[in-house]
Amino acid sequence: AQSVTQLGSHVSVSEGALVLLRCNYSSSVPPYLFWYVQYPNQGLQLLLKYTSAATLVKGINGFEAEFKKSETSFHLTKPSAHMSDAAEYFCAVTKGGGGNKLTFGTGTQLKVEL
Amino acid sequence: NAGVTQTPKFRILKIGQSMTLQCTQDMNHNYMYWYRQDPGMGLKLIYYSVGAGITDKGEVPNGYNVSRSTTEDFPLRLELAAPSQTSVYFCASSYSIQGLVSSNQPQHFGDGTRLSIL
Repeated sequence: AQSVTQLGSHVSVSEGALVLLRCNYSSSVPPYLFWYVQYPNQGLQLLLKYTSAATLVKGINGFEAEFKKSETSFHLTKPSAHMSDAAEYFCAVTKGGGGNKLTFGTGTQLKVEL
Repeated sequence: NAGVTQTPKFRILKIGQSMTLQCTQDMNHNYMYWYRQDPGMGLKLIYYSVGAGITDKGEVPNGYNVSRSTTEDFPLRLELAAPSQTSVYFCASSYSIQGLVSSNQPQHFGDGTRLSIL
């Protein structure tokens, strides 16, 4: 069964520092992978998606993620953190079995400090 | 463009009461979903629908019911509210070609309904 693991439920970085949020997936078929962001009291917004066209995927707000099949990883990065990046981030993988269902990771709360 | 709209935004229920969480989307998406989000647990799929008149169970369907009479609307019904159903509920929609096992089309989410059962 397809699954994702997000290492680190809380990550804290200084403003201007590199952001690295980790996601490892398990899938028996070539996966579609997504990163979503959730700001307080809001729904999830799509940051970026991997669809096999390119291994380095660029998303909104300066975020990008690299698909590494050998490591079964899809880590999210941003070169320079901004205060407005503070939010919860979810990695998700297509679940299979029809319905375009997703399996979500448990989320990583990103804190950005001055 | 409203996207996915959920009502109400907040609700407090007593144990044993029933209620319907409303969800509507204006993107003409064929697929719709209901999730619950609990702290530290990510999102769990309750029910989903691949088109009007077609619904199916997700991971945590017990205590809930759904219907899909139109493309736009996908209400979630709680019949006998229990404290374990205290959660934040999200509705989502996506477009997919019927019959595909999976798709690269993302899901679009509403802002959620925060439900407390006391």
